[in-house]
Amino acid sequence: SQELEQSPQSLIVQEGKNLTINCTSSKTLYGLYWYKQKYGEGLIFLMMLQKGGEEKSHEKITAKLDEKKQQSSLHITASQPSHAGIYLCGADGNDYKLSFGAGTTVTVRA
Amino acid sequence: NAGVTQTPKFQVLKTGQSMTLQCAQDMNHEYMSWYRQDPGMGLRLIHYSVGAGITDQGEVPNGYNVSRSTTEDFPLRLLSAAPSQTSVYFCASSYTSGTRETQYFGPGTRLLVL
Repeated sequence: SQELEQSPQSLIVQEGKNLTINCTSSKTLYGLYWYKQKYGEGLIFLMMLQKGGEEKSHEKITAKLDEKKQQSSLHITASQPSHAGIYLCGADGNDYKLSFGAGTTVTVRA
Repeated sequence: NAGVTQTPKFQVLKTGQSMTLQCAQDMNHEYMSWYRQDPGMGLRLIHYSVGAGITDQGEVPNGYNVSRSTTEDFPLRLLSAAPSQTSVYFCASSYTSGTRETQYFGPGTRLLVL
């Protein structure tokens, strides 16, 4: 199975500041997914990256996959309270199984 | 579309009891899966199915059974609950047989085994 390491485990950011979450794989990523989870709720799909060097943005969230396809980052610009939650990266191991990182808990302080 | 639905939302069991967690989707998705989420461990795959009649084990299958008699439903059975199965369970589905599609997650079932 694909092992994914997320960092940091948690972070607190002042509203309006930027933040970055990293996801590193022990193997080549065939597909890398970013999800967001609010406490007590299910996962909401954010973005999927498949190609080395790929970058996608949605509103104030940008995700990148490095050229070697073993590391991804999620960057939030000018954070807002609505960005608070748990962010998880998931990876496609090309074997019908998705693996997930342990998650990064984001707290946005007003 | 209701998307992916899970019942119940909460459940308390005693050790040794059995129960079935229900999962249904109305999107005609071929691929369905069950995860458990524990603090500090992210989501771990329990079982998955690439289509009706086909199931396979994930990372942590012990203590759980599944079946896929229809495209829509993918129930997860705990035959003899143990405290180690206290967790939040998520069901997910995607359109094709495989994982290179967006996974749609249900709202989760919180299970406490005493």
